[in-house]
Amino acid sequence: DARVTQTPRHKVTEMGQEVTMRCQPILGHNTVFWYRQTMMQGLELLAYFRNRAPLDDSGMPKDRFSAEMPDATLATLKIQPSEPRDSAVYFCASGLPPPGRGGFGELFFGEGSRLTVL
Amino acid sequence: DQQVKQNSPSLSVQEGRISILNCDYTNSMFDYFLWYKKYPAEGPTFLISISSIKDKNEDGRFTVFLNKSAKHLSLHIVPSQPGDSAVYFCAASAVAQFYFGTGTSLTVIP
Repeated sequence: DARVTQTPRHKVTEMGQEVTMRCQPILGHNTVFWYRQTMMQGLELLAYFRNRAPLDDSGMPKDRFSAEMPDATLATLKIQPSEPRDSAVYFCASGLPPPGRGGFGELFFGEGSRLTVL
Repeated sequence: DQQVKQNSPSLSVQEGRISILNCDYTNSMFDYFLWYKKYPAEGPTFLISISSIKDKNEDGRFTVFLNKSAKHLSLHIVPSQPGDSAVYFCAASAVAQFYFGTGTSLTVIP
């Protein structure tokens, strides 16, 4: 049963601490997205990788957030230092761009990492 | 700037009636539109999609309508069931882009 796996599911930390969230995309998917769910913005796009290369991270606060794909089976989202306003649920999604067309079809989401920064 | 908008944060419908969820977008380059459903403590799951070359796509109780001139799409659920109660996200995609709306929380009253 192929699925996107995210760890940790829940994280409570104190302001100023480093937080790392991990994502294992579905095997064979070459595109990975990071989203943050907030009440005001809904699902907010943070970063987007294709074939492990970052294509768009314009939605991510660069001073404290960083996203990487060390290999095809692992994507990471790091916050350093964390702040209370970073409290949210962070989702990773993976997919395959369909051939011959611009827009994406279905994305597969993980269950999310709920971050609470005190 | 929100490129995909869902202006109704919540909707309540009686069981058996039609649920209509609306979505507006601003970017004319979007060429594929999707609806996702999300239950609490779970990730969003794909529900139904439509290509920009079509104006309607139907899958069982779910139908998505696309009006390109108005940059508007809607999801119709008929008949609505209590298990449909969830948050529904509209999404739009183009090359290297995939954007979601803010979601509409649907409650189907038994």
